[in-house]
Amino acid sequence: AQSVTQLDSQVPVFEEAPVELRCNYSSSVSVYLFWYVQYPNQGLQLLLKYLSGSTLVESINGFEAEFNKSQTSFHLRKPSVHISDTAEYFCAVSDQGGAQKLVFGQGTRLTINP
Amino acid sequence: EPEVTQTPSHQVTQMGQEVILRCVPISNHLYFYWYRQILGQKVEFLVSFYNNEISEKSEIFDDQFSVERPDGSNFTLKIRSTKLEDSAMYFCASSAGAGANVLTFGAGSRLTVL
Repeated sequence: AQSVTQLDSQVPVFEEAPVELRCNYSSSVSVYLFWYVQYPNQGLQLLLKYLSGSTLVESINGFEAEFNKSQTSFHLRKPSVHISDTAEYFCAVSDQGGAQKLVFGQGTRLTINP
Repeated sequence: EPEVTQTPSHQVTQMGQEVILRCVPISNHLYFYWYRQILGQKVEFLVSFYNNEISEKSEIFDDQFSVERPDGSNFTLKIRSTKLEDSAMYFCASSAGAGANVLTFGAGSRLTVL
């Protein structure tokens, strides 16, 4: 079985500041890793994913995450945040076999202050 | 871009009543899922469905829950006799395949049980 821990339930930052949202996972098998974002009053949207290959993955809106197998982490970073990045961010894992059963972390609420 | 559509967006019901939540997955997807998010808690896997049968279900998915794909386009979640603790946001998702295929989530149906 897998588990995901997001160490920060809330992260307030100022606009244009850098941010890192932390995610650690545990699993006895190889996993795929995901970050989903939930904007206020909306559903879950895929932000980025790690399936294989380069351990650094990027999204179209400036976020990136790095898979670190030795530290079992998949932290999400952005060098300069915008007000529009205010949302809840969920880290998730699934094992590499069978149907997609995602195991989610608790979520991190990112609040951007002007 | 193709999307997963859920109805209703919000339903209020009395305890003990039956509820059906409806989902229209992306048309060429083969795997279907229900997840739920109780307010302030993690997003939790409920059930996955493939080839007209349940492929995996969680401990939450007890006899009060059922899923169906009645007409080849809709995918429904039925709760037979709702309890207060069933109040949650229910997310439908679909994927083209298993393994590395990414889930696309709907915007969710908020269920409030009084």
